[in-house]
Amino acid sequence: DTAVSQTPKYLVTQMGNDKSIKCEQNLGHDTMYWYKQDSKKFLKIMFSYNNKELIINETVPNRFSPKSPDKAHLNLHINSLELGDSAVYFCASSQEGRSTDTQYFGPGTRLTVL
Amino acid sequence: GQNIDQPTEMTATEGAIVQINCTYQTSGFNGLFWYQQHAGEAPTFLSYNVLDGLEEKGRFSSFLSRSKGYSYLLLKELQMKDSASYLCAVRDSNYQLIWGAGTKLIIKP
Repeated sequence: DTAVSQTPKYLVTQMGNDKSIKCEQNLGHDTMYWYKQDSKKFLKIMFSYNNKELIINETVPNRFSPKSPDKAHLNLHINSLELGDSAVYFCASSQEGRSTDTQYFGPGTRLTVL
Repeated sequence: GQNIDQPTEMTATEGAIVQINCTYQTSGFNGLFWYQQHAGEAPTFLSYNVLDGLEEKGRFSSFLSRSKGYSYLLLKELQMKDSASYLCAVRDSNYQLIWGAGTKLIIKP
């Protein structure tokens, strides 16, 4: 079974729309993340979240909001989509407290805003 | 500011050895990671270094020098499937991962 899954894999939408990307992990991890990978391939952390704390990268516009219904899910909601939001969005999870704190990534969601 | 530097692209021959360097300047250090990312796929974990020295794992080895802010990933007996981007990431004092832009490795027959 897939450890970290995301839906949809591809998302094409018009400017101004609101969309959500879903993420689920079945690893029992207590921390989840959202990353944006742009055309230059930089991975930029957007949010990290566990049951104690939400850490927001201050450069992320407030049009982006994470929503966590439970420990295994962290969805990403985006309001008023803009052309510059086009990128690949990766969800990841890790187990805090372990020395390596390896992050496991989902397959990514390729968002195209027209 | 925080900075991770890696070469943009490298080319090597199947069966050879290649070394991918990474230098970093971060606010604090709590470990360095190497990830592999094939085109169109998610990054996957390769190695982790937190103490100086060499960590070996099969055909892949990773080296760290904290005093120099330097790491390298060594790939031996290169195979065509090793063609991918290799991402260096450093965990800073806030335990956030700071990522390099990755090195695209091209393997030629």
